[in-house]
Amino acid sequence: DAKTTQPTSMDCAEGRAANLPCNHSTISGNEYVYWYRQIHSQGPQYIIHGLKNNETNEMASLIITEDRKSSTLILPHATLRDTAVYYCIVSGDYGGSQGNLIFGKGTKLSVKP
Amino acid sequence: GAGVSQTPSNKVTEKGKYVELRCDPISGHTALYWYRQSLGQGPEFLIYFQGTGAADDSGLPNDRFFAVRPEGSVSTLKIQRTERGDSAVYLCASSSSGRAGETQYFGPGTRLLVL
Repeated sequence: DAKTTQPTSMDCAEGRAANLPCNHSTISGNEYVYWYRQIHSQGPQYIIHGLKNNETNEMASLIITEDRKSSTLILPHATLRDTAVYYCIVSGDYGGSQGNLIFGKGTKLSVKP
Repeated sequence: GAGVSQTPSNKVTEKGKYVELRCDPISGHTALYWYRQSLGQGPEFLIYFQGTGAADDSGLPNDRFFAVRPEGSVSTLKIQRTERGDSAVYLCASSSSGRAGETQYFGPGTRLLVL
């Protein structure tokens, strides 16, 4: 089973920031938080990941709480093309190996004009 | 550079037939993963290769499913005696070496329909 909990769906106005929450209260100290998204009929697209510190790249920012039990993915200026299912995944460290990703059902983000 | 590619993009077959699905990982990536995604669900893990060997095949649903990666690059997922319940999108992903903290990059998937 997925180790994360996400809202089923969210709406966001075009041009506004989209803030997608994720709870991972049972996360272990060596587990990473990954975010992927999936646009209809495409393969999952990597967005960002982090261990303890907040991370930012050209697509998004990842804010991880100090206790690491939750995180928020921020898309700073959402566009219609950001409409997708967003998956928050906790991925472990099994003796140095990543292991497989365990996907939940994700959050369906709808960006509206 | 080229990403993960999968062929065919779509496959329609009849119940009971044998199918092969191909995955070309990113060049130089030693870790390769197969996932399956049913309609309305997130992807589910099937098998993980490190080089030529299957390091974890715990996600394969039964012995009709088999995968190989003989030269440590291209992988083939093989399904024998297909059933209608096998209809799904089969996704392949690769990562540089399979170490914790790496990124898995996914291909576009193969849509399998078993009639």
